[in-house]
Amino acid sequence: GQNIDQPTEMTATEGAIVQINCTYQTSGFNGLFWYQQHAGEAPTFLSYNVLDGLEEKGRFSSFLSRSKGYSYLLLKELQMKDSASYLCAVMDSNYQLIWGAGTKLIIKP
Amino acid sequence: IAGITQAPTSQILAAGRRMTLRCTQDMRHNAMYWYRQDLGLGLRLIHYSNTAGTTGKGEVPDGYSVSRANTDDFPLTLASAVPSQTSVYFCASSEQGTDTQYFGPGTRLTVL
Repeated sequence: GQNIDQPTEMTATEGAIVQINCTYQTSGFNGLFWYQQHAGEAPTFLSYNVLDGLEEKGRFSSFLSRSKGYSYLLLKELQMKDSASYLCAVMDSNYQLIWGAGTKLIIKP
Repeated sequence: IAGITQAPTSQILAAGRRMTLRCTQDMRHNAMYWYRQDLGLGLRLIHYSNTAGTTGKGEVPDGYSVSRANTDDFPLTLASAVPSQTSVYFCASSEQGTDTQYFGPGTRLTVL
């Protein structure tokens, strides 16, 4: 079966750095997506990786290793508004997105 | 304003009733999707459409139907609602089926 694993919840301090990991086992791979979802709102797109390596976008970076079935989302200079759930999703061989259950990130002052 | 709209925002429905959730996008995206989101689970694909006039089944299609008469609209119908269909429903769209998906604000549905 297809599976996406990410931690259920993480806590970090304002101004710090946090890394959210995602491991996956899917039938085929056509890219990995990270989305942010604030409570009661829709998911919003953060990043896309299809090749191995690091993609940097402001305070957020995303890393992919296809051979290890692994990705992480790195958030720097954490702000209170970063408190949200972060969703990892893999596009499989049928071009359908398989979603993890999400990681709830709690930022403390 | 470009984007995706969904209606209603929330709804309480008696079991056995028929319900249609509406989704409209104005980005001229070819592909559209319906997901449900339940606590502790990832988003699950119900139905999708890669282009107007075509639809496909996702991971959890039973009890739901869709139609895609034009590019902009993608309604989801529950023919006879059951309590297990209590969930938050998100509509999404992408330029093509292989592209980044953008989500509507969601419909919170409670079936009693």
